[in-house]
Amino acid sequence: DAGVIQSPRHEVTEMGQEVTLRCKPISGHDYLFWYRQTMMRGLELLIYFNNNVPIDDSGMPEDRFSAKMPNASFSTLKIQPSEPRDSAVYFCASTLGGGNTDTQYFGPGTRLTVL
Amino acid sequence: SQKIEQNSEALNIQEGKTATLTCNYTNYSPAYLQWYRQDPGRGPVFLLLIRENEKEKRKERLKVTFDTTLKQSLFHITASQPADSATYLCALDRGSGAGSYQLTFGKGTKLSVIP
Repeated sequence: DAGVIQSPRHEVTEMGQEVTLRCKPISGHDYLFWYRQTMMRGLELLIYFNNNVPIDDSGMPEDRFSAKMPNASFSTLKIQPSEPRDSAVYFCASTLGGGNTDTQYFGPGTRLTVL
Repeated sequence: SQKIEQNSEALNIQEGKTATLTCNYTNYSPAYLQWYRQDPGRGPVFLLLIRENEKEKRKERLKVTFDTTLKQSLFHITASQPADSATYLCALDRGSGAGSYQLTFGKGTKLSVIP
């Protein structure tokens, strides 16, 4: 398996623009997670899905952020409008589920810079 | 509020020595704790998991301990090598019930093994 795939790897945009980050989880995994990593706050969970359904979005910072999972092999994280404080590395991760201790497999991340 | 602290942001150690990293937590009752390794520009990679009823877990040169009374986990790398240089993250499940799969991560300790 190719692992978790994220695109783009780098994104530079201007404040106010819409940004869409994409993720393809590992085939067969039932859970998908979106994280954000910054030096100040570390790795934070934004939202996670189970079988394409959002389960907990309490980590989403504000209404400018939205996430969708239209099918088992694709998810998007959208920021509209983007702000400089959104600059961070965004990771997608997936896990198989079916137990209580499944580890998470992370993608390579998308480094977002908002000017 | 729930809090996870990793003992230091950076740790330098001589090659061949044992590196010991610490993860302390408060206001958690985790069912398990995980350790991940993160290299620059990459996503975290799972290393070890230890459950609340386990005292110690080993994998090759890695050893993890888990003391739920002290609310602390220690992560040891014996016979350290320059290739072990990376940032190490501890992660706790949120204890919100079976199958939640939600992890909260510490900010990490950057380990540098000096030849």
